[in-house]
Amino acid sequence: DQQVKQNSPSLSVQEGRISILNCDYTNSMFDYFLWYKKYPAEGPTFLISISSIKDKNEDGRFTVFLNKSAKHLSLHIVPSQPGDSAVYFCAASDSGAGSYQLTFGKGTKLSVIP
Amino acid sequence: DAGVIQSPRHEVTEMGQEVTLRCKPISGHNSLFWYRQTMMRGLELLIYFNNNVPIDDSGMPEDRFSAKMPNASFSTLKIQPSEPRDSAVYFCASSLDRVKSPLHFGNGTRLTVT
Repeated sequence: DQQVKQNSPSLSVQEGRISILNCDYTNSMFDYFLWYKKYPAEGPTFLISISSIKDKNEDGRFTVFLNKSAKHLSLHIVPSQPGDSAVYFCAASDSGAGSYQLTFGKGTKLSVIP
Repeated sequence: DAGVIQSPRHEVTEMGQEVTLRCKPISGHNSLFWYRQTMMRGLELLIYFNNNVPIDDSGMPEDRFSAKMPNASFSTLKIQPSEPRDSAVYFCASSLDRVKSPLHFGNGTRLTVT
């Protein structure tokens, strides 16, 4: 059973517009969430994270929003650029035990059209 | 820093053969992870080492899979004998042993078993 779900396999957005990538989780013990970006033939690279004590974290063009009651998070990219075209993975962890293991969603492929 | 280094980048082998994948984590990182990525299941954690000790190998699919970390700068994932269903991209990742320290992934090994 998937504990982290990204229900949209793909998303196309015009350059300059906002990209919104969504992620849902089922495990209420998850308290730390991350987004990774992956280009073809490369490994995922860390993009941005958020702790469950916050509902928003911003880093430049990237903002992650967390809605704990809905068990939902989203990544906003504004403005979108062609170089943002990649697969985006949502990941979650339960950091309470001190170990650090991520559960990943299956990814959303973002295409930013020039 | 060169990042996490994996070898080989591509491996094509025949069913029944032994396959060994290699990983050099980032210097100073004391947590190491092996992940497998497939279309069907996405990114799955296979095994997690902390300070060279296997902590959680519950993701290792079968006895045909084994992993070692003889020292802080080297790990191997071995499949023996290999089967066509093992075809996937295998990623190694490392991190600091600190809650909320993001994973750094290598570029992966694409394994094809014919």
